[in-house]
Amino acid sequence: EPEVTQTPSHQVTQMGQEVILRCVPISNHLYFYWYRQILGQKVEFLVSFYNNEISEKSEIFDDQFSVERPDGSNFTLKIRSTKLEDSAMYFCASSPNEKLFFGSGTQLSVL
Amino acid sequence: QQQVKQSPQSLIVQKGGISIINCAYENTAFDYFPWYQQFPGKGPALLIAIRPDVSEKKEGRFTISFNKSAKQFSLHIMDSQPGDSATYFCAASPGNQFYFGTGTSLTVIP
Repeated sequence: EPEVTQTPSHQVTQMGQEVILRCVPISNHLYFYWYRQILGQKVEFLVSFYNNEISEKSEIFDDQFSVERPDGSNFTLKIRSTKLEDSAMYFCASSPNEKLFFGSGTQLSVL
Repeated sequence: QQQVKQSPQSLIVQKGGISIINCAYENTAFDYFPWYQQFPGKGPALLIAIRPDVSEKKEGRFTISFNKSAKQFSLHIMDSQPGDSATYFCAASPGNQFYFGTGTSLTVIP
């Protein structure tokens, strides 16, 4: 069964460093998303991506964040200068319609 | 502003019992209401979903009840099993964005 894959599974970084989280969505899906989940809290929407551009973004998704689809398969989330409060599990999701399929996430720890 | 309110935060149920998790929303533009199940270390996985044109949807032991006038929907897990122990999230969507509830940690004890 096709699935969304995310790498790395864990990322530890120093405050102020740049990180890139990678995702390979399910191949025939058209909509891509990034969500994050701070430990024990709800899943928060960051950004949605369709037709090679951002379709919606939340207040969390400020200028420190960017997304790219550099080729036909990968979908990346870049955080330019990480802050302590960026520590969270980051989930990529893809969708053919309204059904979201999530990856297993990248646990980002900012020290 | 919390778009979707979920309760309870945690729930303990005996094996064979019924687990009930409730959600409420305000935005009448929402037209798709999924429930996700999340095991530790994994991403949320779609469990069951409903649209507001029906009041109930059942898939196996899982049932969504939907009350459009009250803007509430709930997940019922019949004959709860220890393998159902997980975190459950309700969500609501007006189209291309999903708003999640705060999650319910369900523990089913043998």
